[in-house]
Amino acid sequence: DIVMTQSPDSLAVSLGERATINCKSSQSVLYSSNNKNYLAWYQKKPGQPPKLLIYWASTRESGVPDRFSGSGSGTDFTLTISSLQAEDVAVYYCHQHYSSPVTFGGGTKVEIK
Amino acid sequence: QVQLQESGPGLVKPSETLSLTCTVSGGSITTYYWSWIRQPPGKGLEWIGSLYNSGSTIYNPSLKSRATISVDTSKNQFSLKLTSVTAADTAVYYCARSVYGSRTNPYYFDHWGQGTLVTVSS
Repeated sequence: DIVMTQSPDSLAVSLGERATINCKSSQSVLYSSNNKNYLAWYQKKPGQPPKLLIYWASTRESGVPDRFSGSGSGTDFTLTISSLQAEDVAVYYCHQHYSSPVTFGGGTKVEIK
Repeated sequence: QVQLQESGPGLVKPSETLSLTCTVSGGSITTYYWSWIRQPPGKGLEWIGSLYNSGSTIYNPSLKSRATISVDTSKNQFSLKLTSVTAADTAVYYCARSVYGSRTNPYYFDHWGQGTLVTVSS
């Protein structure tokens, strides 16, 4: 199984500041034939289901604010919130769907400083 | 807009079978990938398995063949049965959709149900 390791476990950021979450996979999730990284990011708030933010590592889902961006390739990925808003307080998960079983990172909790 | 809704008992006794149903509205269940995912309290997300092509199924080997996913296209529903449950199966269970996937796994999940908490306890 591909192990997804997120860091940090939690971070506190001031409103309007940048939040950066890292995700590392135990093997590459880049499919060479189509040059796509099989990596997605989700936002999860208490009592709600996960919400898809980013897929193919850097493609923003429709309706997701452009302050959310994804980057990286191969085994190292980053989710960036460029200017943290109060409504961004949540746990964020990375997810690889390169191979079965699909697996998720342990989550990163984002709070307001 | 596709919507998914889980239903089923919130309490199951140890060694018995957990049964959940996901009702899909706003889209046909005969296309795409339809999955079950769970999250134990305070823990991360775990993919259980998926249904695609109106009957093909793929599972996470970690469930050791305890999971079975089936479909009722007439009701636009798919279901999960998990046998021989223990306290470790206590979790919020989600159903979710993926537009794309392969023969071995679904890709990213773009729509999710609200989730239902299932507690395994005597």
